[in-house]
Amino acid sequence: DVKVTQSSRYLVKRTGEKVFLECVQDMDHENMFWYRQDPGLGLRLIYFSYDVKMKEKGDIPEGYSVSREKKERFSLILESASTNQTSMYLCASSVYGTGVQPQHFGDGTRLSIL
Amino acid sequence: KQEVTQIPAALSVPEGENLVLNCSFTDSAIYNLQWFRQDPGKGLTSLLLIQSSQREQTSGRLNASLDKSSGRSTLYIAASQPGDSATYLCALDSGGGADGLTFGKGTHLIIQP
Repeated sequence: DVKVTQSSRYLVKRTGEKVFLECVQDMDHENMFWYRQDPGLGLRLIYFSYDVKMKEKGDIPEGYSVSREKKERFSLILESASTNQTSMYLCASSVYGTGVQPQHFGDGTRLSIL
Repeated sequence: KQEVTQIPAALSVPEGENLVLNCSFTDSAIYNLQWFRQDPGKGLTSLLLIQSSQREQTSGRLNASLDKSSGRSTLYIAASQPGDSATYLCALDSGGGADGLTFGKGTHLIIQP
């Protein structure tokens, strides 16, 4: 079974802090994704990566950056956390291309910015 | 830009009933459509994936259909059980797996014992 592991289930940080959310997958998937989920807005794509050191902006990249130094690990960085970044963050991975394989999701990190 | 709508937003039915969840989308140029389940406070579990060339997929008591020409998909759940209570999300892959999914806002399903 594919396993996508997010390092924290719950995280509380303060406004202005630099925050790192970590995600690791164990199936050698090329693609990795970061989404955020908010009530009434659903899931929205923040950033994605289709290879090591490659990154692409999703629909809502403002205030975030990402890092992918190794194939199995994809980090989401909040450069200077703000209260409007309080949300549920979900990481996913998938096999590159073809569109015949599903995305696999981690359990999520519920982040609160105070 | 792809838009995905799920109706109803919430549904409560007695145990044992068969039920249908609906998903509609605006752009038929898709690679696949996926149905996910999300339990409270948890991540997403993939239930079924229908490729654009397929009309339906089945897994146990679940059956998902896809009609690209009308921009619709349905998830049929047979003989519902309390353990089926969850939020069900429909998502479309328009980029061949290379650029993320577009999600509906989900249907919150409650199965009454």
